[in-house]
Amino acid sequence: QSALTQPASVSGSPGQSITISCTGTSSDVGGYNHVSWYQQHPGKGPKLMIYDVSNRPSGVSNRFSGSKSGNTASLTISELQAEDEADYYCISYTTITTYVFGTGTKVTVL
Amino acid sequence: QVQLQESGPGLVKPSGTLSLTCTASGGSISSTNWWSWVRQPPGKGLEWIGEIYQSGSTNYNPSLKSRVTISIDKSKNQFSLKLSSVTAADTAVYYCASQYNFAYTWDYWGQGTLVTVSS
Repeated sequence: QSALTQPASVSGSPGQSITISCTGTSSDVGGYNHVSWYQQHPGKGPKLMIYDVSNRPSGVSNRFSGSKSGNTASLTISELQAEDEADYYCISYTTITTYVFGTGTKVTVL
Repeated sequence: QVQLQESGPGLVKPSGTLSLTCTASGGSISSTNWWSWVRQPPGKGLEWIGEIYQSGSTNYNPSLKSRVTISIDKSKNQFSLKLSSVTAADTAVYYCASQYNFAYTWDYWGQGTLVTVSS
């Protein structure tokens, strides 16, 4: 199984909105609504930000939102803040009862 | 709230077997969905290794399947990872994670442990 495709980097100024894409196939992203997004700061473990495409766990800011269209899922961060600067990874369940991560996106706050 | 802690050797010789254990506290390993291992080579992205259910059922990443064994010990509230025939490419931070409140995603993670494969 190949890693899901994410842009290597995305940047934005404080207060702006950015969107990170996560492209897979009909065997993973397109076939299931089990796409999650994780935030990872340097030297830290991953933190769950979005699950099942668009659901936020308790405690996650409503500035983070998720969506999906076809084989591509997206994470939008609105009102960008300095603390949002981190790596972001998508992950999807697949048809062969496994999981596949995205390639990861580095978000830079200008 | 569940806390997870990885433990095991930080250095493994090439062709040897990497062995790690994840201990859960604050919650029972028998009361949730699946328990997983994820790794991250230095400076690279995350890779799912595999998972185990409380019943002992397992699923593995196809690219690692021939070398991976995940087991569970409910009496100790632990689950373990064994990765055989390791090479330098297996050098990574290894995380254990749980699907505690949600299915198909992991809401609790260990802090991660760096395992280096080197002679």
